[in-house]
Amino acid sequence: DTEVTQTPKHLVMGMTNKKSLKCEQHMGHRAMYWYKQKAKKPPELMFVYSYEKLSINESVPSRFSPECPNSSLLNLHLHALQPEDSALYLCASSQDNRAGFDSPLHFGNGTRLTVT
Amino acid sequence: GDSVTQMEGPVTLSEEAFLTINCTYTATGYPSLFWYVQYPGEGLQLLLKATKADDKGSNKGFEATYRKETTSFHLEKGSVQVSDSAVYFCALSGFNQGGKLIFGQGTELSVKP
Repeated sequence: DTEVTQTPKHLVMGMTNKKSLKCEQHMGHRAMYWYKQKAKKPPELMFVYSYEKLSINESVPSRFSPECPNSSLLNLHLHALQPEDSALYLCASSQDNRAGFDSPLHFGNGTRLTVT
Repeated sequence: GDSVTQMEGPVTLSEEAFLTINCTYTATGYPSLFWYVQYPGEGLQLLLKATKADDKGSNKGFEATYRKETTSFHLEKGSVQVSDSAVYFCALSGFNQGGKLIFGQGTELSVKP
């Protein structure tokens, strides 16, 4: 069983809908990540939170809005998505991502998103 | 910038065959190196890691050695099982990069009984 829990497992939404993806970890990790993965491709980094502050935004369109309410939770708010945004969205966490730490990432099983 | 190159797949092997998946990297400084595995319908799982030159990571019969002189981190297993069928990703994390992982393209492994 993965220690990073993502909900929902599957999501179908129209281009005018607003939805949210949720991620939770109880390992005491202080860094959390959102990745996007297309079929048969490696994950692409979207956002990184470090100690609940956004530290990396990989030039992601504003229709994706991350939120980190506390050290255990990470949300990704979705609005006005396009069909090409259909993908597997993976959440990950690591103990610490500051310089000098070599903490590996722990991934959830992802939310498979389909935009119609 | 930093990059990772993996051998292309898919790779198809018979059960109990020897596995090698090649991985080379380009990075400034001394990155940490990882192998992740993704089983169908799941997220990525850390398989093994190495944080400095000549380190050997190992787990579940898989091994990889951090070779700075050849900038490589090849994954090996002496005898594969059907349950090893998955996609394998080589990745690096540079110093002071905020935990950002640079992934290779992934290698799909299929093991036949």
